[in-house]
Amino acid sequence: GDSVTQMEGPVTLSEEAFLTINCTYTATGYPSLFWYVQYPGEGLQLLLKATKADDKGSNKGFEATYRKETTSFHLEKGSVQVSDSAVYFCARGVQTGANNLFFGTGTRLTVIP
Amino acid sequence: DTAVSQTPKYLVTQMGNDKSIKCEQNLGHDTMYWYKQDSKKFLKIMFSYNNKELIINETVPNRFSPKSPDKAHLNLHINSLELGDSAVYFCASSQGAGGLNEQFFGPGTRLTVL
Repeated sequence: GDSVTQMEGPVTLSEEAFLTINCTYTATGYPSLFWYVQYPGEGLQLLLKATKADDKGSNKGFEATYRKETTSFHLEKGSVQVSDSAVYFCARGVQTGANNLFFGTGTRLTVIP
Repeated sequence: DTAVSQTPKYLVTQMGNDKSIKCEQNLGHDTMYWYKQDSKKFLKIMFSYNNKELIINETVPNRFSPKSPDKAHLNLHINSLELGDSAVYFCASSQGAGGLNEQFFGPGTRLTVL
């Protein structure tokens, strides 16, 4: 069935390192794709999104490209900061029935100085 | 501030009790949601309401019941609490379809059942 598979964490990086968090999806059709971020003690907030193939979402130095051919939406950042430490969730829109989001399992990122 | 707010932030209670969690959004959104996040951070939709009509009801025990007195509120009532109900519960809202549009999340309510 439809799903979102996300890179297992936790991920620990040094400040200014390059970040990639992999996300692949299975779905009927072409759902919208999202990355949400959850900072410690807070609710989720939208980081970026893409609504069709080849779209690139970007925000706060993070980027992700909707790749239809590989059904992927990998999150990247060229130089992470300590303040990027959080849990990152990949999600896809559910197109049938009630429109909603299906989340991946989340990847915890810790950036050390 | 415009936001999604939840009360209480923490809730500790005994097994078998009945409790409620309140959610309010002042963003003017037409759809609201409840999510459950377990100890491994896995996030699962429980309910959503669109214009006071329930449009999602996943495989959630009927001990859980959402109640929406108006478009700005979606409260979660839980009867006969069980140990497995311990989790963080998030309320969220969106304007239009949540599968297409940004959802705004509340800060969460950490429920601990003893």
